[in-house]
Amino acid sequence: DSGVTQTPKHLITATGQRVTLRCSPRSGDLSVYWYQQSLDQGLQFLIQYYNGEERAKGNILERFSAQQFPDLHSELNLSSLELGDSALYFCASSGEGGGKTEAFFGQGTRLTVV
Amino acid sequence: AQKITQTQPGMFVQEKEAVTLDCTYDTSDQSYGLFWYKQPSSGEMIFLIYQGSYDEQNATEGRYSLNFQKARKSANLVISASQLGDSAMYFCAMRETHTGFQKLVFGTGTRLLVSP
Repeated sequence: DSGVTQTPKHLITATGQRVTLRCSPRSGDLSVYWYQQSLDQGLQFLIQYYNGEERAKGNILERFSAQQFPDLHSELNLSSLELGDSALYFCASSGEGGGKTEAFFGQGTRLTVV
Repeated sequence: AQKITQTQPGMFVQEKEAVTLDCTYDTSDQSYGLFWYKQPSSGEMIFLIYQGSYDEQNATEGRYSLNFQKARKSANLVISASQLGDSAMYFCAMRETHTGFQKLVFGTGTRLLVSP
């Protein structure tokens, strides 16, 4: 168990809909990262939050947004969903700084858009 | 930009044998970190091993070791005494650091199948 909790584990929704994915980081970790894993794009970094503030942005679509709350949990909002948004979405958390600050991943949310 | 290359889409190994999964990287940074993750069929990403660019010794974690050749920019994962439970996707990743914070850049992965 990595200590990172993601809900829900599976999500099936229709095109055009909006969904929210939730992530609770490991206790004490201030950084939360969102990744998307799809068959054609592989594992791609979407966005990072640190202690409530956006720190880095990757290949995140404008239809997607995220936030980190004061209790450090994070939500990834996906709107106007398309078939191509079907993927496994991971949340990861890490401590601050350099060294062996590996990112611990949650179990992922498998999103299927039909 | 940093890049990770895993040239082996799939590897087969017999139980109890050792296997090496290749990973090469490209970066202009002097300070970086290299990671290996395992993704079983259930989907979760499991951290295996880490190597820092300034670490003088190759990292080891149980049956996992990292053959780090800095001049060649390679960070191959060696799994000794393979077990059936090692069958999974394996991803090499690099920590890309900007202003002290980090994100991971992943390779395309290698699917390992361990046969009895």
